[in-house]
Amino acid sequence: GAVVSQHPSWVICKSGTSVKIECRSLDFQATTMFWYRQFPKQSLMLMATSNEGSKATYEQGVEKDKFLINHASLTLSTLTVTSAHPEDSSFYICSAPNGLEAYNEQFFGPGTRLTVL
Amino acid sequence: AQKITQTQPGMFVQEKEAVTLDCTYDTSDPSYGLFWYKQPSSGEMIFLIYQGSYDQQNATEGRYSLNFQKARKSANLVISASQLGDSAMYFCAMKGGTGGSYIPTFGRGTSLIVHP
Repeated sequence: GAVVSQHPSWVICKSGTSVKIECRSLDFQATTMFWYRQFPKQSLMLMATSNEGSKATYEQGVEKDKFLINHASLTLSTLTVTSAHPEDSSFYICSAPNGLEAYNEQFFGPGTRLTVL
Repeated sequence: AQKITQTQPGMFVQEKEAVTLDCTYDTSDPSYGLFWYKQPSSGEMIFLIYQGSYDQQNATEGRYSLNFQKARKSANLVISASQLGDSAMYFCAMKGGTGGSYIPTFGRGTSLIVHP
């Protein structure tokens, strides 16, 4: 099956710094990628839809200026957590579908565990 | 709006036994897809099985099968011959449905523990 990589797999940073997370589709082109946030023992919460060549679509309640998304190419989307604070500590997962139909599979990255001290 | 409901926050099953994880969904659109994912403690999301709304037969993938009851809007996952490695969170998801959204909607998940 298709592979989506995510880097880094974990990161620890100081409060106030910015952290960039990369999501790459390794063997297919993804015009759309999704960014999720997951708290322990909870479901995936969609943060935003990343669109290649255009602005991301953010879900209600997600701060655009805090979670910057850039979809620079058909295989790369980045999420930058700006001025991170301890409450931003979470598990961040990206995913990319191999098409936009209901039957198209969603491929997930392995996730990034962010800890803000 | 699409909605996925998983009513079992946690399930226990003995090794080698079968277990059913419940999932119901809400949509008025005839075209949609249903997915099940496994998430072990490592965090990766592992695709297990897919059922299309127009599929005539229930989907099966090895020890996984999907009990698709279209009229009841349920898509329960059946795991046969449970193994210790099946202990994980399981998420039901839907794509399509009302509005034709290609963005999957996830249920809250069920934590499965397989004990010896």
